Amino acid sequence: AQSVTQLDSHVSVSEGTPVLLRCNYSSSYSPSLFWYVQHPNKGLQLLLKYTSAATLVKGINGFEAEFKKSETSFHLTKPSAHMSDAAEYFCVVTPYNQGGKLIFGQGTELSVKP
Amino acid sequence: ETGVTQTPRHLVMGMTNKKSLKCEQHLGHNAMYWYKQSAKKPLELMFVYSLEERVENNSVPSRFSPECPNSSHLFLHLHTLQPEDSALYLCASSPFGALQETQYFGPGTRLLVL
Repeated sequence: AQSVTQLDSHVSVSEGTPVLLRCNYSSSYSPSLFWYVQHPNKGLQLLLKYTSAATLVKGINGFEAEFKKSETSFHLTKPSAHMSDAAEYFCVVTPYNQGGKLIFGQGTELSVKP
Repeated sequence: ETGVTQTPRHLVMGMTNKKSLKCEQHLGHNAMYWYKQSAKKPLELMFVYSLEERVENNSVPSRFSPECPNSSHLFLHLHTLQPEDSALYLCASSPFGALQETQYFGPGTRLLVL
């Protein structure tokens, strides 16, 4: 069975410092992996996705993630945090044979201090 | 904005009430989804519709009844709900419900059952 684990429920950084949000997945086959962001009172928005092409994926707003099969990880990073990055972030896996079914992690709340 | 709208944005109902949540997408997509987002729990997929046919029902109680009259509209009819059904209900759409597709989310309806 496929699953995804976000290792931190809450991460706090200072503005201008790097961001690292950790995600590990479990999948019997090559999965599709996504990161979504949810700002308060807004719907989820796609940040980036991995679909078996390049292992380093660049997304919107300066975020990127690296697919590491040997570590079953798909961590989200950003070199320099901005106040507007404060939100909840979800790591998501799609089983390769179940199109349309997204399996969500529990979410990581990112706080950015001035 | 994502092109997916949901009404109402907030709803308070008693356990004996009947109400409906509405979702509309303006993206020309053929697949639509209902998710439940409860505090401290991962998003749960409730229903999937593709070309107006239900293709997935994740063991959702019968007090939740979906309806998809056309590819642009999705409803969730609610009756005799329980307090534990209080949550944020998110609607999403995607082009075909296929593997690796990005899903586009609405802002959600925050439901409180008294």
